[in-house]
Amino acid sequence: AQTVTQSQPEMSVQEAETVTLSCTYDTSESDYYLFWYKQPPSRQMILVIRQEAYKQQNATENRFSVNFQKAAKSFSLKISDSQLGDAAMYFCAYSNTDKLIFGTGTRLQVFP
Amino acid sequence: DAGVTQSPTHLIKTRGQQVTLRCSPKSGHDTVSWYQQALGQGPQFIFQYYEEEERQRGNFPDRFSGHQFPNYSSELNVNALLLGDSALYLCASSLAIDRTDRTDTQYFGPGTRLTVL
Repeated sequence: AQTVTQSQPEMSVQEAETVTLSCTYDTSESDYYLFWYKQPPSRQMILVIRQEAYKQQNATENRFSVNFQKAAKSFSLKISDSQLGDAAMYFCAYSNTDKLIFGTGTRLQVFP
Repeated sequence: DAGVTQSPTHLIKTRGQQVTLRCSPKSGHDTVSWYQQALGQGPQFIFQYYEEEERQRGNFPDRFSGHQFPNYSSELNVNALLLGDSALYLCASSLAIDRTDRTDTQYFGPGTRLTVL
């Protein structure tokens, strides 16, 4: 069975600095997708970034980028130039068919 | 372009009662998935509906059932509520890929907070 592990329950960063959130996963599949979702206190799960396993190039979306290491089954999220609005729970998720399998989340605090 | 909507926002029920939660998918999407998120946890997959049929199901008892309508909207029903059913229920919509068992990226609604007393 596939699993997703987020080993950092909480992280903090100073505004304008860079922070990296870690995620590892376990699967025997070769074709799959990985996601980072953000869940602010408003509860809505917002897609941050998506990575297709067959693509070697790391995905980027503005200030958000990933470091995808397929052999190591690692998928970390880097947030550059952190902003107060980045404070939220961040969930790493895996999918190879249709259902999403989530990690337990990392709470990110951003200090001014 | 309307995103995924869910109703109601909050709901309070007592043990043994039944509840129905509703979801309207993002415009253009044909697949709806339901997730349960307990406090402090990541969401857990309940089931997915495509072409008005349950396509996949997670490890949830038969007390959890659903339906998808011709307009792609969906309902989640929970019977004989237990205290442990208290959670945030999230609906996600997506677009099936070429009528396979795969879907594109899932987009979530704001959720329904269910409290069982």
